[in-house]
Amino acid sequence: IQLTQSPSFLSASVGDTVTITCRASQGINNYLAWYQQKPGKAPNLLIYAASNLQRGVPSRFSGSGSGTEFTLTISSLQPEDFATYYCQQLNNYPITFGQGTRLETK
Amino acid sequence: QVQLVQSGAEVKKPGSSVKVSCKASGDSFTSYAFTWVRQAPGQGLEWMGGIIPIFNTTSNAQKFQGRLTITADESTSTAYMELSRLTSEDTAVYYCASGGLRNWFDPWGQGTLVTVSS
Repeated sequence: IQLTQSPSFLSASVGDTVTITCRASQGINNYLAWYQQKPGKAPNLLIYAASNLQRGVPSRFSGSGSGTEFTLTISSLQPEDFATYYCQQLNNYPITFGQGTRLETK
Repeated sequence: QVQLVQSGAEVKKPGSSVKVSCKASGDSFTSYAFTWVRQAPGQGLEWMGGIIPIFNTTSNAQKFQGRLTITADESTSTAYMELSRLTSEDTAVYYCASGGLRNWFDPWGQGTLVTVSS
């Protein structure tokens, strides 16, 4: 299953609200996760089952969607949110990731 | 919750093999599935394969068939990833994580840099 993230690059400022989209090539039964990765660090789970906030993740992160189209929204961007974000499907083998969205400060 | 600590960086010659370990602590080893993901320099995340230790079952990405062996040692609470016939294209950071099919990847190990160079 292919996952297509858009945009690949996103420029924003602290306080902005941004949205990243992930489209799957076929239905994935909401087995969709979002991860944040900072340079030199392992990815960190933000959202699971499309819309569930992982424990300890700030509430400014939210996920939505179903079927084949999903979104990650970050409200009121904070300086620590500038990172790369990946979606992932775990419904079918092979488990696949989107190509990533790099969120940079404007 | 389980914590994962990986073995250190490796430098390998083309054609050789590398074995990376992922030691789990903090919870029952057999309660978890473990998975391996790699990331080439400046690139995205690539799932390689995984293991469910309690069933000793593995699933590998087609791309690595014949080169990838994932094992687990319950006695030491450690999962292993061995990749053979290395080429320069295998230079990457290799991560283990708790998770698998329909089971979110959390937490992750710190990553192990494998450099393949002559």
